[in-house]
Amino acid sequence: QVQLQESGPGLVKSSQTLSLTCTVSGGSISSSDYYWSWIRQFPGKGLEWIGYISYTDGMYYSPSLKSRVTMSVDSSKNRFSLNLSPVTAADTAVYYCAGALTGTALNYYYHYIDVWGKGTTVTVSS
Amino acid sequence: SYELTQPPSVSVSPGQTGSITCSGDKLGDQYVSWYQQKPGQSPVVVIYQDSKRPSGVPERFSGSNSGNTATLTISGTQAMDEADYYCQAWDSRTVVFGGGTKLTVL
Repeated sequence: QVQLQESGPGLVKSSQTLSLTCTVSGGSISSSDYYWSWIRQFPGKGLEWIGYISYTDGMYYSPSLKSRVTMSVDSSKNRFSLNLSPVTAADTAVYYCAGALTGTALNYYYHYIDVWGKGTTVTVSS
Repeated sequence: SYELTQPPSVSVSPGQTGSITCSGDKLGDQYVSWYQQKPGQSPVVVIYQDSKRPSGVPERFSGSNSGNTATLTISGTQAMDEADYYCQAWDSRTVVFGGGTKLTVL
């Protein structure tokens, strides 16, 4: 089955760029099945969706983060990436990469996260 | 932007039935998923498409969705079910999570 692993610096300075990579194993990133996603979880608990990239549906970012987010895919290395810039202390969180499944049933769309990475903690320092 | 509201905490006695609600405007017109997250672990989907259980999820987990409220129900709650639970919907191609509910089994 598909497995995901995040990688990247655990400490980023305020106003700089947070860059993370997610390596996909057990499946092809070119698969049209998955929406490759980034989600973060703040120290207080809540989950926040950052965005996803899909071969069939393009890229969609959270409206609140859209101006600072860029996602990309590297098919040759079977991985996808997140850039967030500029960052502030409020971006300190655990960052998860994930694979979501989307489809329609009974004329309604469904979209749920089928596979998650283990998460990587990113701290933004001043 | 679309919002989903969950109670911060729910308590249930072992062996009893516990329910966690998720509220949103016309939520019944969307499919809802539920995730369980235990300390130090990544979330895991326990319900998708309102009421479907992935393979490996115990039958005691069930879901429903109607009107403005989706509900995750755990029948015969066990100590291992103590965790944080999040609901999630997909609105206008954006993913929305509820704030999470801590389920305490005591």
